[in-house]
Amino acid sequence: AQSVSQHNHHVILSEAASLELGCNYSYGGTVNLFWYVQYPGQHLQLLLKYFSGDPLVKGIKGFEAEFIKSKFSFNLRKPSVQWSDTAEYFCAVIPSGSARQLTFGSGTQLTVLP
Amino acid sequence: NAGVTQTPKFQVLKTGQSMTLQCAQDMNHEYMSWYRQDPGMGLRLIHYSVGAGITDQGEVPNGYNVSRSTTEDFPLRLLSAAPSQTSVYFCASSGSGNEWDTQYFGPGTRLTVL
Repeated sequence: AQSVSQHNHHVILSEAASLELGCNYSYGGTVNLFWYVQYPGQHLQLLLKYFSGDPLVKGIKGFEAEFIKSKFSFNLRKPSVQWSDTAEYFCAVIPSGSARQLTFGSGTQLTVLP
Repeated sequence: NAGVTQTPKFQVLKTGQSMTLQCAQDMNHEYMSWYRQDPGMGLRLIHYSVGAGITDQGEVPNGYNVSRSTTEDFPLRLLSAAPSQTSVYFCASSGSGNEWDTQYFGPGTRLTVL
């Protein structure tokens, strides 16, 4: 079945550590890729997205993600995390021709220790 | 703009009761959708609408009905609530042009079915 996989369910880091969250998808055709973030008690917000062009995408708050087509991956990175980055992070995909239907991964809870 | 609004924020139902979750957006977005969020499962699409008068099923439509009589409103109806419908429900909308694939989420409704 077509899906989105986030293998890290819970990541705990200290402030200033580097972050990389994995995301893999199983769709064979063209896809639009997203990372959303959900801060405690808040609704989902878009961090960044990839539609086409440069596979290295920069988003808000210093986050970036790299689309590697050969690996079906779209990993999220940040060189130095802050306590305020504590949140749940969701990778999502819109496959081509799916009428904007977002398919989400199961999410990764990031806890940053001060 | 208020963006995407949802009411109520919290609701407790007994098994078999019915209720409607309200969703409204003031961005003139043509696309609206409903998701449910369950621990360890990310967000799953329930129903979506590509415009007034047009709705379709998502990944988990059973037990839910929707209608789209106006561009602004997209209510979700539970006809006979079941404990399996205990979840957090998010409504989202997206527009057209360059932002067609960016969905804006509401604050969510936390529903408990006893």
